This record gives sequence, C-alpha cells and structure tokens, in this order.
Amino acid sequence: KNQVEQSPQSLIILEGKNCTLQCNYTVSPFSNLRWYKQDTGRGPVSLTIMTFSENTKSNGRYTATLDADTKQSSLHITASQLSDSASYICVVSAEGNNRLAFGKGNQVVVIP
Amino acid sequence: DAEITQSPRHKITETGRQVTLACHQTWNHNNMFWYRQDLGHGLRLIHYSYGVQDTNKGEVSDGYSVSRSNTEDLPLTLESAASSQTSVYFCASRKDRGGTEAFFGQGTRLTVV
Repeated sequence: KNQVEQSPQSLIILEGKNCTLQCNYTVSPFSNLRWYKQDTGRGPVSLTIMTFSENTKSNGRYTATLDADTKQSSLHITASQLSDSASYICVVSAEGNNRLAFGKGNQVVVIP
Repeated sequence: DAEITQSPRHKITETGRQVTLACHQTWNHNNMFWYRQDLGHGLRLIHYSYGVQDTNKGEVSDGYSVSRSNTEDLPLTLESAASSQTSVYFCASRKDRGGTEAFFGQGTRLTVV
C-alpha cells in the first residue's frame, strides 16, 4: 500500500479560481513533508517544506498546511494562472531515513 | 550555479541492448537517486547511493545497475533493455539525510522497441 495518497488525481480549473489539493500519509516516524511542482517534461521542483511543528507555510500564491495528528497536508493555490498547470507531488520523509515516499501526484490543468 | 544534468534527454533503443543513462551533479551531494516515472505509478526508486563506492537497490531495481566512482556521477545501466523499461527516468541528489531538498534532473525519456 502506498504510504502517500493524493487526491484528486486530476482536476481542471478556470484561470483565476482557487483549488485545494490533498495529501494523506502513513509514513512514520514523520520528519517532514514537501510539495513539489512538476511541469510537463521537466523534473520536480520543491515548493514548500513542512516540519512537525509547522501548520501553515506560504510560497507566493501557494499555501501548504499540515496536520501531523491526522497525517494530512493540503496545498492551496490562490488565483490560479495558466502557468500553474502541472503535477503537484507530495513527498514525505521519515525520521532517520534517507528514503523519500512519493505520492502519485495531483494533475492540475488551468484553462482560460 | 550548481545543477544536476541528465543525458541523453531522449533515447530509443532496441530490446536486448545495453543502455546507460548519465547523471551529473555539481552540488557535491553525497546522496544520489534514480527514479522511474510511469503513468499511474508516480516516482519509484530504482537505485540509490550514499557516497562513493556505495550503491543500494530500490523498490524496482531488477534489470538495472548503478556505479558510483566519484561524487558527481551516478550512471544508470540497463543490462538488457526490455519494453517494460520504457519510461521517464529522473536522477536526484540531496545533501544529506532528513529534510534537505532533493534536486531533480530534467529527466530522460527512454523508449525500448
């Protein structure tokens, strides 16, 4: 069973609208969680990192939240732009482990 | 600026051929990883290395090998390419364990015909 589950698998949103992506994980003991953005034909690039003590972190129009008790994270995109069309991947690190657990990604398509 | 580069970006090969994908990073990171990305599966770990002369198998290592003769390079070899190995391959590096960011290459699209 995958240790990181993301939903929805894909979504289409109108330019200017907001959307929220979900990530549930079972990785333990938890170290940190990152959201990566992967543009088509490119490698993933880190957007935010969340550690156990952090609840919210913003990076421009991207805001990530973390609830370590329920093992859930979300990524909120505000006022979406065409350039936000990409796959967003939730990646979780376990304490003391160099391996990363990847979600399958949320595919976002922003249309004008 | 430091970077991680993969080559080639695209390759078509025949079944049974040996293929090597290159990965080179200039961050002087000890930790390097190879992943494959397929529709419906996300990124899956093939092999990884924690330093020179160190290599380890990931979750989908069958049919692949790596070598680490220096800090900068981790080439991935497909011993005898199979159609099931048609995929997009990503190399990544990290400074150390824990929360440090993993930096990914641009990917290599490999097609085995």
